[in-house]
Amino acid sequence: GESVGLHLPTLSVQEGDNSIINCAYSNSASDYFIWYKQESGKGPQFIIDIRSNMDKRQGQRVTVLLNKTVKHLSLQIAATQPGDSAVYFCAERPGNNRLAFGKGNQVVVIP
Amino acid sequence: DGGITQSPKYLFRKEGQNVTLSCEQNLNHDAMYWYRQDPGQGLRLIYYSQIVNDFQKGDIAEGYSVSREKKESFPLTVTSAQKNPTAFYLCASSRGQGATGELFFGEGSRLTVL
Repeated sequence: GESVGLHLPTLSVQEGDNSIINCAYSNSASDYFIWYKQESGKGPQFIIDIRSNMDKRQGQRVTVLLNKTVKHLSLQIAATQPGDSAVYFCAERPGNNRLAFGKGNQVVVIP
Repeated sequence: DGGITQSPKYLFRKEGQNVTLSCEQNLNHDAMYWYRQDPGQGLRLIYYSQIVNDFQKGDIAEGYSVSREKKESFPLTVTSAQKNPTAFYLCASSRGQGATGELFFGEGSRLTVL
């Protein structure tokens, strides 16, 4: 919703620069990870996913990196655009259990 | 177009009233979910259903109820027993049972208790 971004870590990035959003996950048994984008007042949208047998996956303008050693996930957005302004959050799947969502990071693109 | 439709988008309720949020999907997904989202917090699971006529409590089910009489529909009732119901509610669905992959979300319903 409109107030989802309140109290979240905020990344301010100049339009055209690359953005890196980080996520620390909690369960070493997690085998699947997803990044979602949520614009103000809307539902989350799928961006990209990655399975634990991979350490990198690329999509259109986005790359997800997985470091299982330190339980860290990152989302890189190339050539950030104003439409990329949103809250981004990661989700992990601990084995066959339900997805667990992080709190999110607010990205603000400066024109 | 296939997708998930939540209604209403905005809802106001007086204290002590029950309200029902609608969630309909035409993706032919087996599993459906209800999440609650508060400012600065991650999504918290209220209830989920892996198949018609079956549903399970999530992490914060107290004060909520659901039904799954049809595959396409998973309405959520926020009862008067929910002490802090003002929030943004998100419905989602997925292909397989449980979290076997990507969740598809609706646009959300914002409930405000007056």
